[in-house]
Amino acid sequence: EVQLVESGGDLVQPGGSLRLSCVASGFPFSNYWMTWVRQAPGEGLEWVANIQQDGREKYYVDSVKGRFTISRDNAKNSLYLQMNSLRAEDTAVYYCASEDSDSGFDYWGQGTLVTVSS
Amino acid sequence: QSVLTQPPSASGTPGQRVTISCSGNSSNIGTNTVNWYQQLPGTAPKLLIYSNNHRPSGVPDRFSGSSSGASASASLAISGLQSEDEADYYCAAWDDSLNGYVFGTGTKVTVL
Repeated sequence: EVQLVESGGDLVQPGGSLRLSCVASGFPFSNYWMTWVRQAPGEGLEWVANIQQDGREKYYVDSVKGRFTISRDNAKNSLYLQMNSLRAEDTAVYYCASEDSDSGFDYWGQGTLVTVSS
Repeated sequence: QSVLTQPPSASGTPGQRVTISCSGNSSNIGTNTVNWYQQLPGTAPKLLIYSNNHRPSGVPDRFSGSSSGASASASLAISGLQSEDEADYYCAAWDDSLNGYVFGTGTKVTVL
């Protein structure tokens, strides 16, 4: 059974930092692109960033460039999102998802809530 | 920021057919394939349709997708609407200009 389990969400002050983790199981993690998608309270989905299988290629939505860094550790079947200089508008549930070039985001985690507030 | 435009809501009675549109541009739907996601209340999104018109294993054939590169638009159809289809639906595609994925604005489907 495929499982993606996110963790690391918390309440943080504006300007603060947070590191999200996503542990994968049940599929060949190192063979997949991985992605982060977020959803602000009551809002729609927003793609945040993705990373190639070997970690060399990474892409980000403009609003997080220079502040967020996506990374992975294939030996630990883990995906990460380092979030710095957090803003109120970064408040959202953050989902990790496996990404297939032909079939999109095929598996999703349950999400972890990040709240940026003073 | 959503680049793909969807109607905010759609509805139908049980058994009816509902269609949801997704409008983009030449950088996204005009060039790349479209995927659709279903998000039931309080849950994570789930892949519903991939590569314009393919269903993952386990998705009922009541769900179908289509896409037109020429018009940079796509649509999702739900036939034989059921109460368990009440959910939010999102289209998504890679955008060559933004070098990232873009989601649609989302459509809430209500079964009357």
